[in-house]
Amino acid sequence: NAGVMQNPRHLVRRRGQEARLRCSPMKGHSHVYWYRQLPEEGLKFMVYLQKENIIDESGMPKERFSAEFPKEGPSILRIQQVVRGDSAAYFCASSTQRGTRELFFGEGSRLTVL
Amino acid sequence: GQNIDQPTEMTATEGAIVQINCTYQTSGFNGLFWYQQHAGEAPTFLSYNVLDGLEEKGRFSSFLSRSKGYSYLLLKELQMKDSASYLCAVRDRGYSTLTFGKGTMLLVSP
Repeated sequence: NAGVMQNPRHLVRRRGQEARLRCSPMKGHSHVYWYRQLPEEGLKFMVYLQKENIIDESGMPKERFSAEFPKEGPSILRIQQVVRGDSAAYFCASSTQRGTRELFFGEGSRLTVL
Repeated sequence: GQNIDQPTEMTATEGAIVQINCTYQTSGFNGLFWYQQHAGEAPTFLSYNVLDGLEEKGRFSSFLSRSKGYSYLLLKELQMKDSASYLCAVRDRGYSTLTFGKGTMLLVSP
């Protein structure tokens, strides 16, 4: 019973390039959350999605960042024209339904922008 | 908005008991969570409180006082493997997202 799968685990990009981070939720989970964790900082909420819908994107930067969770396939967090400040660990979590007690987190994708 | 405060670091000795406090100021409240995160790994769920009182689960217990906006995580019989960051998180009435504190780094020494 696989957990939340994220890839790549590590990604290096140069300034101005694009980063795509993928998240496959646990089997049976239809709710996906993306969080960003900067060094010495807590997990910061970015976006909450259900299949084909963005439910809450109040934590997403207004520019360069986008997320999707298509009917088929993983959820994708896309960062265009990356800058050094985007370097962070990006965690995906999933749950069975809204308001569930527990979020299950993936191992995270660590983005380094040179 | 949400504001969650917890100590940055704590140290304790193997076999001892440690209490990690968390205070929160939120516009809404629908549950408080504790997660454990080892360096470079995923956060893992420890406990959930929505009503006042103590929830016990093995060596770990969590307490909540909604009127005081206060929770603590109590770890007993500390082991070296308990060295990790402990994250306090609050869910608002929207049943949607968790807001996390910055975490408390616990170092357990022999």
